[in-house]
Amino acid sequence: SQTIHQWPATLVQPVGSPLSLECTVEGTSNPNLYWYRQAAGRGLQLLFYSVGIGQISSEVPQNLSASRPQDRQFILSSKKLLLSDSGFYLCAWKGPLNTGELFFGEGSRLTVL
Amino acid sequence: GQNIDQPTEMTATEGAIVQINCTYQTSGFNGLFWYQQHAGEAPTFLSYNVLDGLEEKGRFSSFLSRSKGYSYLLLKELQMKDSASYLCAVLDSNYQLIWGAGTKLIIKP
Repeated sequence: SQTIHQWPATLVQPVGSPLSLECTVEGTSNPNLYWYRQAAGRGLQLLFYSVGIGQISSEVPQNLSASRPQDRQFILSSKKLLLSDSGFYLCAWKGPLNTGELFFGEGSRLTVL
Repeated sequence: GQNIDQPTEMTATEGAIVQINCTYQTSGFNGLFWYQQHAGEAPTFLSYNVLDGLEEKGRFSSFLSRSKGYSYLLLKELQMKDSASYLCAVLDSNYQLIWGAGTKLIIKP
């Protein structure tokens, strides 16, 4: 069966520090992968999605970047964090059915101080 | 622009029935999803509607009217564990999910 994991689960970082969140998927090949951010009381905001190795589409211009060095690995990064980067980050992959259903990782809570 | 509206918060009593509404205006429509999200956790899939009508799955049912741009999630025999946020999301013409802000459901004993 397919599984998705992301880490770290919780992160507290000072403004201006770098960020790296990692997500891996097991049990499937060539998955569509997504990074979302969820701010308190707001809907999920799509940050990046990837349809294959090295293929990244950015939905929102900002100081974050994403990379997909391997088929089942998706990384969210920043060189210098801003206070507004605080939030709940979710990695997801799209299921095999052509229904658009997403399966989410556990989530990463980022607090920028 | 694309827009999904759902109430911010609802309160219901254990054992009762609650209906959470969702209205949408999107560029195209390829289905509507309901997800459940407990506090501090990731969303989990509840239902998917692409045709008009009611889909029943145990205590949960989801209804869709494409002509009205409207859906609801019906929860029966409420349990304390149903306290969570319920997210409505629409798959648009580009097969991208557009998310509502979620409805926080509070269950009281």
